[in-house]
Amino acid sequence: GAVVSQHPSRVICKSGTSVKIECRSLDFQATTMFWYRQFPKQSLMLMATSNEGSKATYEQGVEKDKFLINHASLTLSTLTVTSAHPEDSSFYICSARDLRGSYEQYFGPGTRLTVT
Amino acid sequence: AQKITQTQPGMFVQEKEAVTLDCTYDTSDQSYGLFWYKQPSSGEMIFLIYQGSYDEQNATEGRYSLNFQKARKSANLVISASQLGDSAMYFCAMREGHTGNQFYFGTGTSLTVIP
Repeated sequence: GAVVSQHPSRVICKSGTSVKIECRSLDFQATTMFWYRQFPKQSLMLMATSNEGSKATYEQGVEKDKFLINHASLTLSTLTVTSAHPEDSSFYICSARDLRGSYEQYFGPGTRLTVT
Repeated sequence: AQKITQTQPGMFVQEKEAVTLDCTYDTSDQSYGLFWYKQPSSGEMIFLIYQGSYDEQNATEGRYSLNFQKARKSANLVISASQLGDSAMYFCAMREGHTGNQFYFGTGTSLTVIP
């Protein structure tokens, strides 16, 4: 199956700093990538849809200035958490949809962010 | 209204037994897709099985089968011959429309397999 990677897998940062998370589709091209957030023992919540070459579409309640998304190529999307605070600590998961129109989304392994 | 409802926060099953994880969905679309994912403690989302709304037969993938009852809008996951490695969170998800992008996830069911 298709492979999606995320980097880093874990990150600890100090409050007020920014953190960048990368999501890569390794063996397919993805015009659309998705960013989810998951709190402990809860479901995945869609944060934004990242479209290659255009602005991301954010879900209601998600601050676009805080969670910057860039989808510069067909294989890479980045999520930058700006001025991170402890309440931003969470598990962030990306997924990608194959350009060839498969019905499936392929998920990355996730990034665990801890803000101290 | 919730798009996906999983009413079992936690389930226990004896090793080698079968277990059914419930999922109901809500959509007015005629075309949609239903998915089940497994999430072990490592956090990765592992795709298990897919059922399209127009598929007449229930999907099966090895020990996983999806009991699709369209009129009842249910898509229960059946795991046969449970193994200790099946202990994980299980999420039901739906994609509306054939080309829709957004997935709607349920709240998940935590499955524990007892030796």
